[in-house]
Amino acid sequence: KAGVTQTPRYLIKTRGQQVTLSCSPISGHRSVSWYQQTPGQGLQFLFEYFSETQRNKGNFPGRFSGRQFSNSRSEMNVSTLELGDSALYLCASTTQGASTDTQYFGPGTRLTVL
Amino acid sequence: AQTVTQSQPEMSVQEAETVTLSCTYDTSESDYYLFWYKQPPSRQMILVIRQEAYKQQNATENRFSVNFQKAAKSFSLKISDSQLGDAAMYFCAYRRRGETNAGKSTFGDGTTLTVKP
Repeated sequence: KAGVTQTPRYLIKTRGQQVTLSCSPISGHRSVSWYQQTPGQGLQFLFEYFSETQRNKGNFPGRFSGRQFSNSRSEMNVSTLELGDSALYLCASTTQGASTDTQYFGPGTRLTVL
Repeated sequence: AQTVTQSQPEMSVQEAETVTLSCTYDTSESDYYLFWYKQPPSRQMILVIRQEAYKQQNATENRFSVNFQKAAKSFSLKISDSQLGDAAMYFCAYRRRGETNAGKSTFGDGTTLTVKP
């Protein structure tokens, strides 16, 4: 099976713009979680989608949003970009979205905001 | 809120030796999962080992084992016979039990492990 894929791998944007990142989970996986990784804040949970519904949300402003499609692929959107949004954005998928499941991570999208 | 603390930002070990990475966590829950993840320079995070809180027996995966002390809220990772390929950043993570928490893990700040030949 193919692993979790994320596109694009690298992205450069300027302040005020918006950006959309995509995550394709492992085939058959129904849960997708998003994390932001920065040197200063570490790995922080953004949100999780299961069967097209947001099931959990971290402490991020409303500029960060996401959605999940019927094929389990997920997108996250960041509007009105700020310099502090520069980070590695990781997504992870699990089979049934159960707490016993192993999370499989993608390679990440490196976002740079200028 | 749950917190995970890794007090060693960097560690180094000689090839073939043993190294232990420390992790402590804070939670009021009694049922949860703990994980160690490895993130090599290529950035793909992979699971190294997991521990269910209700299991007293420490988890083991080949050269990797944990020392889980529930009362002390401590969860250390021991890597035996260290190999060059073990060089990476290691993250300790916590996840509450329950369907609504399945996708939400809380991570420590990570420990960068260097393996010297």
